[in-house]
Amino acid sequence: DAKTTQPNSMESNEEEPVHLPCNHSTISGTDYIHWYRQLPSQGPEYVIHGLTSNVNNRMASLAIAEDRKSSTLILHRATLRDAAVYYCILRGYGGATNKLIFGTGTLLAVQP
Amino acid sequence: SAVISQKPSRDICQRGTSLTIQCQVDSQVTMMFWYRQQPGQSLTLIATANQGSEATYESGFVIDKFPISRPNLTFSTLTVSNLSPEDSSIYLCSARRGGGTDTQYFGPGTRLTVL
Repeated sequence: DAKTTQPNSMESNEEEPVHLPCNHSTISGTDYIHWYRQLPSQGPEYVIHGLTSNVNNRMASLAIAEDRKSSTLILHRATLRDAAVYYCILRGYGGATNKLIFGTGTLLAVQP
Repeated sequence: SAVISQKPSRDICQRGTSLTIQCQVDSQVTMMFWYRQQPGQSLTLIATANQGSEATYESGFVIDKFPISRPNLTFSTLTVSNLSPEDSSIYLCSARRGGGTDTQYFGPGTRLTVL
């Protein structure tokens, strides 16, 4: 499985933007970049995913480098509820590679 | 979306016994998965629960220790057998409707403590 590298932890202030980086230098052409987050005492939840182009949804934006070897999850205005562990995961499109294999993730702390 | 419920939410078990965890999805799904999350750690995929056939286990996990059933498209069980304190973890059920880039949903987890 292709690996991702994320910082262990990051801090942000409430209502400020947060940029969560992820390196995935061994990404293959069919790997999608998925982001999930796990709030305290809950199961993970989907945030966003993309292949090559930048993506936006109501929760976040995903910026993907042109060579696809890195990506950045952007929370435009952090709230206290965004404090969670954020996982960047490469997931193949089909077959045995189409499963979520979690790395260590980034623990995001949001200060009021 | 899919809402996943698990029973029990938590349990305390004695060494050498077994615990069966139930996972119910509120709609039919193609894929169901079981994960383990040890204290302070990330999630580890145990197996893919296949409907109508044996589960597909990840490296390091075996059927004798973690038997899985999937009788239909909305329900699965995970049994953790011959419990030891090292099995103390949160066990999470997960599901998605199909392949491709379908969103994967997670249950709230079952917290198991083995004494």
